[in-house]
Amino acid sequence: SAVISQKPSRDICQRGTSLTIQCQVDSQVTMMFWYRQQPGQSLTLIATANQGSEATYESGFVIDKFPISRPNLTFSTLTVSNMSPEDSSIYLCSVDGQDSYEQYFGPGTRLTVT
Amino acid sequence: AQSVAQPEDQVNVAEGNPLTVKCTYSVSGNPYLFWYVQYPNRGLQFLLKYITGDNLVKGSYGFEAEFNKSQTSFHLKKPSALVSDSALYFCAVRPYSGAGSYQLTFGKGTKLSVIP
Repeated sequence: SAVISQKPSRDICQRGTSLTIQCQVDSQVTMMFWYRQQPGQSLTLIATANQGSEATYESGFVIDKFPISRPNLTFSTLTVSNMSPEDSSIYLCSVDGQDSYEQYFGPGTRLTVT
Repeated sequence: AQSVAQPEDQVNVAEGNPLTVKCTYSVSGNPYLFWYVQYPNRGLQFLLKYITGDNLVKGSYGFEAEFNKSQTSFHLKKPSALVSDSALYFCAVRPYSGAGSYQLTFGKGTKLSVIP
């Protein structure tokens, strides 16, 4: 299984600002995913990030609000732009388990917007 | 599009008793099914999966799950619950093939509380 780290683990931000979340994997992976988990809710896929191509966003999520970078096979960033209190959530990155079918998740970034 | 239903928001069970957390799914074709657990202030940890073969799959921490194709269910079970099993449990599905086959769809989660 892959070991995934995220930075920061938590942050409190003011509305209108932006936060960039980093995701680092201990091995090279093709596909990385970004999820949002709003308070008391399930996980919702924001986008899929493949190295060397533009991220693919799910319905309801746009690049201007959640720009994603994937500069190499072990790293990705998600930026939450122009934040509002509704963006308060846990943001998790995950990687595809390659031949093992499951996804492995990072510890998450708990974001509070005031 | 695939979907997952976890009909119980919360399950309470006494320590030492068997536990079941229910999950039903909808997907085109054959499913890949998963259970994850989330402890407070932690990410998701993979518990077990059904890909093919034996309908009863065993996973981490003594958990197991039974795949029932006719009932489209994948209930999580454990013979004897521990207080440390108290957490939030998510069922997830991805289709066997086709567009978006890499995408996991999660249920809304079931909070398990094991009472000492």
